Amino acid sequence: GQNIDQPTEMTATEGAIVQINCTYQTSGFNGLFWYQQHAGEAPTFLSYNVLDGLEEKGRFSSFLSRSKGYSYLLLKELQMKDSASYLCAVRDGDYKLSFGAGTTVTVRA
Amino acid sequence: IAGITQAPTSQILAAGRRMTLRCTQDMRHNAMYWYRQDLGLGLRLIHYSNTAGTTGKGEVPDGYSVSRANTDDFPLTLASAVPSQTSVYFCASSERAGAQETQYFGPGTRLLVL
Repeated sequence: GQNIDQPTEMTATEGAIVQINCTYQTSGFNGLFWYQQHAGEAPTFLSYNVLDGLEEKGRFSSFLSRSKGYSYLLLKELQMKDSASYLCAVRDGDYKLSFGAGTTVTVRA
Repeated sequence: IAGITQAPTSQILAAGRRMTLRCTQDMRHNAMYWYRQDLGLGLRLIHYSNTAGTTGKGEVPDGYSVSRANTDDFPLTLASAVPSQTSVYFCASSERAGAQETQYFGPGTRLLVL
């Protein structure tokens, strides 16, 4: 099976920066996704990386290193509405998407 | 309707009963998926369909079946529910089954099997 690890919980202050790390070991690699999921709601797409490097999209950035099996999601200028779970997902060699257990981020005033 | 709808929103089911969770999308996406989400385990793929008329098994298919008679609908059936199938079930779709395709998720069905 696939192995995708990310921290269970993180807490940060409004206006701060938080970095959520994700390490993975999968059978083949066809891209890495980050999803945001608010409590009781469906996951929504945040970012996609298939090549090494940083992808920036507003306050959110995602980084990938394929050789290290490592990605991070960077959330800048944190807002209260950013309190949610963040899911790291890897598309394997068979194009199946495997998810990590998610990181719950709590933003405090 | 825009996007993916799931029904019912929630359900309490007696063990041993048969149950079908419904999923409909209006985006004309070719690929559809069923996941279950359990605390501490994340989303796990149950079954998928790359195009109408075809289905495949995911990571946790036992006790579940699916059909894909047309592009829009992808029902998930629990033939004889067991308490371990208590979970939140998400249906998702993507335009195709390729590497760069983003999956879009429905609102979920919360199922409690007693």
